[in-house]
Amino acid sequence: AQTVTQSQPEMSVQEAETVTLSCTYDTSENNYYLFWYKQPPSRQMILVIRQEAYKQQNATENRFSVNFQKAAKSFSLKISDSQLGDTAMYFCAFMKLYNNDMRFGAGTRLTVKP
Amino acid sequence: DSGVTQTPKHLITATGQRVTLRCSPRSGDLSVYWYQQSLDQGLQFLIQYYNGEERAKGNILERFSAQQFPDLHSELNLSSLELGDSALYFCASSSGGVNTGELFFGEGSRLTVL
Repeated sequence: AQTVTQSQPEMSVQEAETVTLSCTYDTSENNYYLFWYKQPPSRQMILVIRQEAYKQQNATENRFSVNFQKAAKSFSLKISDSQLGDTAMYFCAFMKLYNNDMRFGAGTRLTVKP
Repeated sequence: DSGVTQTPKHLITATGQRVTLRCSPRSGDLSVYWYQQSLDQGLQFLIQYYNGEERAKGNILERFSAQQFPDLHSELNLSSLELGDSALYFCASSSGGVNTGELFFGEGSRLTVL
């Protein structure tokens, strides 16, 4: 079974600073997807970034980037130039290729302070 | 606004009762996914429908059932409710039948069982 672990229940960062959220996962699969989702107070889940395991290059979306370490089964999210609107719960998720069962971690609550 | 509509937003009911949650996917999307999010937990995948047919099944209890109608809206039926069923229930949609992670989530239906 695939498990996703987020070891930081809560984190805070000053506005304009950089923060890194950690995620590790356990799988015997070689091909899979990894995701970071954001859940702001509005409760809506929003896809932040996606990484295909067969791609060695780390995914980047504007201020959001990941550090994907396949051998270590680690997938951290770096948020640069943090903004107040980044305050949210962040969930790491794993999904086997062509399998629609996406597994989520328990989440990290990020607070960006002015 | 993701384009996914869920009703009701809040629901309070008693143990042993039955409720129905409704989801209208984004225009043009054929897949509907249901997820359960218990307090301070990540999302648990329940079930997926694609164009009216069940496509994938996750940790869905036998007391729960779902269906997708010809107009593509979906309903999640929860029966013989227990206190532990209190949670936020999310619906998400995507255009294809294979989940690539690009899901569009509704704002959820918060169910409280007393």
